[in-house]
Amino acid sequence: EPEVTQTPSHQVTQMGQEVILRCVPISNHLYFYWYRQILGQKVEFLVSFYNNEISEKSEIFDDQFSVERPDGSNFTLKIRSTKLEDSAMYFCASSDLPGQGAYEQYFGPGTRLTVT
Amino acid sequence: AQTVTQSQPEMSVQEAETVTLSCTYDTSESDYYLFWYKQPPSRQMILVIRQEAYKQQNATENRFSVNFQKAAKSFSLKISDSQLGDAAMYFCAYSQNRDDKIIFGKGTRLHILP
Repeated sequence: EPEVTQTPSHQVTQMGQEVILRCVPISNHLYFYWYRQILGQKVEFLVSFYNNEISEKSEIFDDQFSVERPDGSNFTLKIRSTKLEDSAMYFCASSDLPGQGAYEQYFGPGTRLTVT
Repeated sequence: AQTVTQSQPEMSVQEAETVTLSCTYDTSESDYYLFWYKQPPSRQMILVIRQEAYKQQNATENRFSVNFQKAAKSFSLKISDSQLGDAAMYFCAYSQNRDDKIIFGKGTRLHILP
C-alpha cells in the first residue's frame, strides 16, 4: 500500500539554526499538508499546498516557516531560525483530488524536532 | 471558526468490553467531514473511521462505529470487543472540504485493561 514517508525521524538542532524537514507524499496525490504536535497537545494545522503554492496557512506559520516542492516527489518544510518552542512532532500529509474515491488525508510517521 | 471538543482526557475499558469516546464540534456549515484518528505510542496518525455529514447512516468499520448526531453536533466513537492493541490516543477531527485542513480535538487516551 502506498504511504507517505518523512525524513529524518528525529532531528536535534540548536536554537537559531535552520532545519529542513522532508516528506515524500503518495505519488499521485496533489494536496499536501504540514501539521505539528507539541508533546502532549493536539495536532495543529500549519499549511496546505496545492499546484505549487500555499492554499492556506495558520497563524503558527509565520515568516520563519516556508514550504517547497523542489521536484516531483519531495515536499519540504523549512524553519529558518528555530526556537525552543518549535520542538514538536511534525507530520506531513497528502490527499488525492476531490472526487477520487473516499476522502482521506494520509499521514506520514512524523519527524520529531528537538530544539536545544 | 470550527472547533472540536473532546471532554474525556482519559478512559479505561476492560479487554473485550465496549467503550464509547465522546466528541462534539461546532460549525455553521451543513456539509463537512468528521474523522476519528488513532495515535499509538509510535505517534503515527491512523484513520479509524470517517463520516460524511450528508450521509445519515452511521459509519462502521469492523469493531468501530460512530453515532453521528448532526443536529446535536455530536460524533462519538464506539469500540466493541476492545483489544489490547486498541490502546492509544484517539483524536476526533473535522474537515470542511475534501482538500481542506483537518481540525483536531485534544484527544482521549484510551487504556485497555487485561
